[in-house]
Amino acid sequence: QKEVEQNSGPLSVPEGAIASLNCTYSDRVSQSFFWYRQYSGKSPELIMSIYSNGDKEDGRFTAQLNKASQYVSLLIRDSQPSDSATYLCAVNKAAGNKLTFGGGTRVLVKP
Amino acid sequence: EPEVTQTPSHQVTQMGQEVILRCVPISNHLYFYWYRQILGQKVEFLVSFYNNEISEKSEIFDDQFSVERPDGSNFTLKIRSTKLEDSAMYFCASTGGSGQPQHFGDGTRLSIL
Repeated sequence: QKEVEQNSGPLSVPEGAIASLNCTYSDRVSQSFFWYRQYSGKSPELIMSIYSNGDKEDGRFTAQLNKASQYVSLLIRDSQPSDSATYLCAVNKAAGNKLTFGGGTRVLVKP
Repeated sequence: EPEVTQTPSHQVTQMGQEVILRCVPISNHLYFYWYRQILGQKVEFLVSFYNNEISEKSEIFDDQFSVERPDGSNFTLKIRSTKLEDSAMYFCASTGGSGQPQHFGDGTRLSIL
């Protein structure tokens, strides 16, 4: 079983719609959860961090965490063509520990 | 906003040669990392560094690799006797710890010929 799993996509979304991305993780001791955006050929860019169960909103982005189900998701509202990228889910077990990444979900926002 | 800086942006090296990839982490950060991403694959952890020593390393980080913090600002990754399969993007990251997220540099694209 992969440590962090994501659907590779592509997830095709019309401009203005909501993109919904999912991520599951296998290690129950995972404590911190992150979403990074990666444009082709570029480095991961932090979008959201979430540490406790529930929802966390930042602008057009909402992260949701359910530790009992070992599941974290990202919603992108009012999707824009500039949101077209690969979204990486990453987890770590404790402060200072390594990040374990999923394979990423490629999102395509069509005008 | 402070950022992690990496040099060079692109390094082309003959197989068997040694390369040094350089990073300047964010100044008040305490934890430093190297990751790599082979084209089309996921980001993989190589090594973490804290308090002037390696705190964790992956199976990838064998005797071919070493890290160093030669002064108060730089953090380097040395790859000895490079192989074709070392071709990848190498990312440096840093964090202040305590659950803070890791911030990544722009990466070094390493091409082994």
